Amino acid sequence: QVQLQESGPGLVKPSQTLSLTCTVSGGSISSGGYYWSWIRQHPGKGLEWIGYIYYSGSTYYNPSLKSRVTISVDTSKNQFSLKLSSVTAADTAVYYCADYDILTGYLDYWGQGTLVTVSS
Amino acid sequence: QSALTQPASVSGSPGQSITISCTGTSSDVGGYNYVSWYQQHPGKAPKLMIYEVSNRPSGVPDRFSGSKSGNTASLTISGLQAEDEADYYCSSYTSSSTLEFGGGTKLTVL
Repeated sequence: QVQLQESGPGLVKPSQTLSLTCTVSGGSISSGGYYWSWIRQHPGKGLEWIGYIYYSGSTYYNPSLKSRVTISVDTSKNQFSLKLSSVTAADTAVYYCADYDILTGYLDYWGQGTLVTVSS
Repeated sequence: QSALTQPASVSGSPGQSITISCTGTSSDVGGYNYVSWYQQHPGKAPKLMIYEVSNRPSGVPDRFSGSKSGNTASLTISGLQAEDEADYYCSSYTSSSTLEFGGGTKLTVL
């Protein structure tokens, strides 16, 4: 069974870049058939899709975040990463990584989520 | 404001049925059968309940069912149980190859 685990700083200063990594175990990112995804959830709010990446490096981003988001993949480490630049308090959220099954169109396995707080 | 519209809250008594709607456009819900539903309990990651409009993953009770008509998808839970109390989110693939979520619906079991 595939497992995903987010890691990264839990506190980021305003105007800096938020960086998170998702480590995938129990399956290979390079196997194809999945978009490796980032989703966030502001405290007490709903889910917001950030973007996803195919193992080849093709990316798709939420238009509202596109100017600040970069998602990359490291197949040698079976990891994919999120960078969100110029953060503000509005970026404080629980960040989840998940895999999106391309064939059947759903987010299958999710990480447990990691809270990132933007504060000085 | 979320791209897909869901009611903020619904409620029902144990044993009853409820339906949660998810309204989009022809560029998302109406254009693809890649509509999925997720259940989220407080402090937990979302859990897939329905995919491809009406398919249930193994392990999800058959009390959960999904459907779609035009630009609106629906999740129906029959025989409500206390453990069904949670937040529910719909999601759809879009014509821009992106994903969208609904704003979420809080289900209260009275």
